[in-house]
Amino acid sequence: QKEVEQNSGPLSVPEGAIASLNCTYSDRGSQSFFWYRQYSGKSPELIMSIYSNGDKEDGRFTAQLNKASQYVSLLIRDSQPSDSATYLCAVTGGFKTIFGAGTRLFVKA
Amino acid sequence: GAVVSQHPSRVICKSGTSVKIECRSLDFQATTMFWYRQFPKQSLMLMATSNEGSKATYEQGVEKDKFLINHASLTLSTLTVTSAHPEDSSFYICSASSGDGDEQYFGPGTRLTVT
Repeated sequence: QKEVEQNSGPLSVPEGAIASLNCTYSDRGSQSFFWYRQYSGKSPELIMSIYSNGDKEDGRFTAQLNKASQYVSLLIRDSQPSDSATYLCAVTGGFKTIFGAGTRLFVKA
Repeated sequence: GAVVSQHPSRVICKSGTSVKIECRSLDFQATTMFWYRQFPKQSLMLMATSNEGSKATYEQGVEKDKFLINHASLTLSTLTVTSAHPEDSSFYICSASSGDGDEQYFGPGTRLTVT
């Protein structure tokens, strides 16, 4: 059973701080890794994709991938209250994408 | 780019009736479309995967005769909930992938209420 694990949270950070979201996966053959943001009552929105080891930055977001440790993370710098949402980690291996259950992030103003 | 629409956004129907939900990729060709269901405060649950022109692949526990999926073109997939019951009330979300990568782009979702 291929799995993607995330801490459900809530993760609470003050405005302006760095929020760190983590995800582990079980399938060593996984090739593609994604972070989605889902606001309450809305559908998920793709915010980052990463395919190779290391860091990938896009604005305030940095995705980090460590395939040896089967670990992917998302850092959000200068967190804003509008970042408060559930963040879903998704991992693709073969022809299947597995979504984690998501981490709820709450950014306090 | 990568815009996916869903229609209707919200529907209320009586128990025993059928409801059709449309999912369209507006600015790309979707070789694969996915249908998910999400209950309040729960995670996404994949129902089925469909490729254009072929039969959908349903996840374990999802009744294919109850949830009919058609992917007739590279831009349109439909999900029909047949003989709906109150327990089918949920948030149904489609996503689409172009096949160039593994990214899935989600539609805005359809909130179904069966009375």
